[in-house]
Amino acid sequence: QKEVEQDPGPLSVPEGAIVSLNCTYSNSAFQYFMWYRQYSRKGPELLMYTYSSGNKEDGRFTAQVDKSSKYISLFIRDSQPSDSATYLCAMSAAWYSSASKIIFGSGTRLSIRP
Amino acid sequence: NAGVTQTPKFQVLKTGQSMTLQCAQDMNHNSMYWYRQDPGMGLRLIYYSASEGTTDKGEVPNGYNVSRLNKREFSLRLESAAPSQTSVYFCASSSQVSGFPGSNQPQHFGDGTRLSIL
Repeated sequence: QKEVEQDPGPLSVPEGAIVSLNCTYSNSAFQYFMWYRQYSRKGPELLMYTYSSGNKEDGRFTAQVDKSSKYISLFIRDSQPSDSATYLCAMSAAWYSSASKIIFGSGTRLSIRP
Repeated sequence: NAGVTQTPKFQVLKTGQSMTLQCAQDMNHNSMYWYRQDPGMGLRLIYYSASEGTTDKGEVPNGYNVSRLNKREFSLRLESAAPSQTSVYFCASSSQVSGFPGSNQPQHFGDGTRLSIL
């Protein structure tokens, strides 16, 4: 069983829709949670990162962490065609050790239809 | 502001050939990483360097070697390429959390090297 599970999609939604992307994980030691966006033939770029449980909002993006369920989500409001990309979740037990690696999900491919 | 720069962007090798992938960052980051990305597998850590002068194995180090040439540069070498090493390779870097030596902020990635081994 992978430490981090992410539905690969593809997920196709119309422009303006609310998008929900999710990951589940098995390691209860994870405390730091990230979402990366990766455009085709580009490297991942950090979108959001959060610590422990709760919500964090940045413009049209909201990251949500539920540690009791080992479940994280990324919501995109008013989705735009420019949001079409692969979204990777990632998590780590702590920032306090270089040996505490970041574990990535395999990514969900998202397509926003104009 | 270049960030993380990887060269080359594309490469085709024959089985048994060797090559070195180059990575340089201009953000004064202490830590650097090499990942490979394969369909359905996500990003897997090959090697990392927590600081200049140190390197450590990641999840999938077999068949690879690394050199942390200086604070800016971290290279990945394939001594004898195999078809199983066909992948997209990403270099990343991160800075330390202030007051926590050895810790790391989220990573910044280059745009990758697409490597095919025939």
